[in-house]
Amino acid sequence: GQSLEQPSEVTAVEGAIVQINCTYQTSGFYGLSWYQQHDGGAPTFLSYNGLDGLEETGRFSSFLSRSDSYGYLLLQELQMKDSASYFCAVRVPRGSTLGRLYFGRGTQLTVWP
Amino acid sequence: NAGVTQTPKFRILKIGQSMTLQCTQDMNHNYMYWYRQDPGMGLKLIYYSVGAGITDKGEVPNGYNVSRSTTEDFPLRLELAAPSQTSVYFCASKKENTEAFFGQGTRLTVV
Repeated sequence: GQSLEQPSEVTAVEGAIVQINCTYQTSGFYGLSWYQQHDGGAPTFLSYNGLDGLEETGRFSSFLSRSDSYGYLLLQELQMKDSASYFCAVRVPRGSTLGRLYFGRGTQLTVWP
Repeated sequence: NAGVTQTPKFRILKIGQSMTLQCTQDMNHNYMYWYRQDPGMGLKLIYYSVGAGITDKGEVPNGYNVSRSTTEDFPLRLELAAPSQTSVYFCASKKENTEAFFGQGTRLTVV
């Protein structure tokens, strides 16, 4: 089976930096993605790592270490609107396709003023 | 572009009833997915499709069926609704190496 582990919740204050970790155990691996979901909304894409290292997109950065089956999402200069759930997701090959996309249980981030 | 459209947005079913959740996308994506999300939980993969005519089971396929007769449409069928199927259902689509785009979800309650 597939297993993605991330903390259930994280809290921080406005302007701070927070890191959300994700460890995974999957039968095959092609890349790690991060998605954001506000209450009552649909998940939206934030970042993707196909190779080891850091990817930066504005205030958000994501890191991957394939040898450690580990990645993280780093959120800087936190704003109240960043309060949401954050999910890591793994692409798992099946045959010749990258069909399967598995999600972790999500980390609820609460940003306080 | 409409993106990924799911209908209905809300539905209440009685135990044993059947229904089809509709999902259509206008981005010519080959991959499509159905997930369910229970309160405070992550997204569980029900079924997915890598192209028209090709479907495969995900993590929690029992009680559901899918079909993919066209690139655009990927309906999810519940044959005998059970209270355990009360959930929020999300459809998503993507191309081979791109992000996934999600619909706004269908909130289903089985009573």
